[in-house]
Amino acid sequence: TQLLEQSPQFLSIQEGENLTVYCNSSSVFSSLQWYRQEPGEGPVLLVTVVTGGEVKKLKRLTFQFGDARKDSSLHITAAQPGDTGLYLCAVTGISSGSARQLTFGSGTQLTVLP
Amino acid sequence: NAGVTQTPKFQVLKTGQSMTLQCAQDMNHEYMSWYRQDPGMGLRLIHYSVGAGITDQGEVPNGYNVSRSTTEDFPLRLLSAAPSQTSVYFCASSYSGDASGANVLTFGAGSRLTVL
Repeated sequence: TQLLEQSPQFLSIQEGENLTVYCNSSSVFSSLQWYRQEPGEGPVLLVTVVTGGEVKKLKRLTFQFGDARKDSSLHITAAQPGDTGLYLCAVTGISSGSARQLTFGSGTQLTVLP
Repeated sequence: NAGVTQTPKFQVLKTGQSMTLQCAQDMNHEYMSWYRQDPGMGLRLIHYSVGAGITDQGEVPNGYNVSRSTTEDFPLRLLSAAPSQTSVYFCASSYSGDASGANVLTFGAGSRLTVL
């Protein structure tokens, strides 16, 4: 059973469309991160959210942390082919080991068609 | 600034063979970790280290060994490779955290391992 559920698993849209992907769990997190991974590369950090209800914007990407700090969403406005990639959420506060351990969701594979 | 360097990028092994995946970082990060990535499973933590001489197990440690003799290097050893270890392996490192205290990982480009 995945501790972090990401949805949808796959998403294919046309250039210019808007989209939202989700990261959900029943646990409360101290922080949540979003990473993007392109083929043949490692994940790269997009943003960290810490405060319940927090909203952060990165150009056309809007990230929101749920009020109860159990979920998050990523909204992309006017998607472009360069947004294509695997979007991963990751949290601390799930594992019983080091407090610095990150647990990742299974990701949303986004394809933006020209 | 090289960041996190992994070698080799690709490797094919036969069942039972052993090998070491190398990971080096030049950012003086104290925390280093190894993940494996399989389709539909996301990234799963194998082993991690909070500093030289200190290692600990993650979620899926069986069949893998690690050591941390220096701050820069964190090799991952497969003692007797099995087909179930076919995967893409990522090494990542981090400093003590950003302004929020969150652990911010810098990943290498990955090592794709196939065990026949």
